[in-house]
Amino acid sequence: DQQVKQNSPSLSVQEGRISILNCDYTNSMFDYFLWYKKYPAEGPTFLISISSIKDKNEDGRFTVFLNKSAKHLSLHIVPSQPGDSAVYFCAASEGGGSQGNLIFGKGTKLSVKP
Amino acid sequence: EAGVAQSPRYKIIEKRQSVAFWCNPISGHATLYWYQQILGQGPKLLIQFQNNGVVDDSQLPKDRFSAERLKGVDSTLKIQPAKLEDSAVYLCASSRRGLGLDEQYFGPGTRLTVT
Repeated sequence: DQQVKQNSPSLSVQEGRISILNCDYTNSMFDYFLWYKKYPAEGPTFLISISSIKDKNEDGRFTVFLNKSAKHLSLHIVPSQPGDSAVYFCAASEGGGSQGNLIFGKGTKLSVKP
Repeated sequence: EAGVAQSPRYKIIEKRQSVAFWCNPISGHATLYWYQQILGQGPKLLIQFQNNGVVDDSQLPKDRFSAERLKGVDSTLKIQPAKLEDSAVYLCASSRRGLGLDEQYFGPGTRLTVT
């Protein structure tokens, strides 16, 4: 039973264009969401997060949108760069931030073509 | 600031053998996590330590997996005996306080192949 779902295993975009990575969740108790980026042979690195009290969080080229009614979040990367090519994991936690237990999706492999 | 260190980076063993992984978290981080990442899946939490106490080990297969964090710093994860389905990358992560708002810093992982 997957609580965090990333239904697109891969995504390919052209350099300079927008990349949109999607994530759906089923557990309505999740109140904190994160995106991690992973390069081959490295551990995941934190990218951006959003609390359930917000619907948008922006950090440079990266913006995360949260739609609680749809239990959906998305990561927008604008403009996309070849160095953004990696696997992106969506993760969620519950408990008002009192728990560190993260539930991860399966990941989406992003390829940015020059 | 040094990152999370893990060793070995790669390990190949036969089924029914034993294996141990080591993790050194970022200095001062109270919380340490062990995740299992099977190929094509996201990381799955095995165990979470707060200092040297276990916070959550609900997904740890305790009949074959064990973990300890002596003195609240380094940690070891052991599998005995290993099964084919244990082939995965084992990731160690640490965070300052272990709250959901804390960023978790991951090590490079240990890739285990069980033949």
